[in-house]
Amino acid sequence: NAGVMQNPRHLVRRRGQEARLRCSPMKGHSHVYWYRQLPEEGLKFMVYLQKENIIDESGMPKERFSAEFPKEGPSILRIQQVVRGDSAAYFCASSPIREAEAFFGQGTRLTVV
Amino acid sequence: QKEVEQNSGPLSVPEGAIASLNCTYSDRGSQSFFWYRQYSGKSPELIMFIYSNGDKEDGRFTAQLNKASQYVSLLIRDSQPSDSATYLCAVGSDDKIIFGKGTRLHILP
Repeated sequence: NAGVMQNPRHLVRRRGQEARLRCSPMKGHSHVYWYRQLPEEGLKFMVYLQKENIIDESGMPKERFSAEFPKEGPSILRIQQVVRGDSAAYFCASSPIREAEAFFGQGTRLTVV
Repeated sequence: QKEVEQNSGPLSVPEGAIASLNCTYSDRGSQSFFWYRQYSGKSPELIMFIYSNGDKEDGRFTAQLNKASQYVSLLIRDSQPSDSATYLCAVGSDDKIIFGKGTRLHILP
């Protein structure tokens, strides 16, 4: 029974390129959360999605960032025109219902050079 | 802005003693509460969740919830060096799960 799968584990992008991060939730989970974590800091909420719907994106910058969770396939966090300040670990978590126990993937470490 | 507050530590506890980690939250309407453990360079791992006032025990871990005081705590009995990690308190609020910044726990051998 696979857990939450994120890929890639490590991603290096040059400034101005696009970063696309993928998250496949646990089987039976239809709720996905994305978080960002800087070194030695806590998890900052970015966006909460259910299948095909964005429920809350209050933590996501208005420009360059977008997220989706299509009916088929993984959830995608997309960062356009990356800048050095986007370098961080991005984690996704899934849960079976809202505000219930959420389980994390291994994260994607994004480095912008 | 709903918030979850934790003392950043580090909290140093001798091996075999009880480690006590505390957390307060601002949203009175919160109904779900979680403790995660995160080792350096790894992803957070769920270790406890609690929904009702009182204590919940699981092995060496006990979560305590006091909704009137908006306070959640985690006790770790018989602390082991492998318990050295950052402990993140998380709270369900407005459909989101909000995290505190974590408390670094160091178990002294």
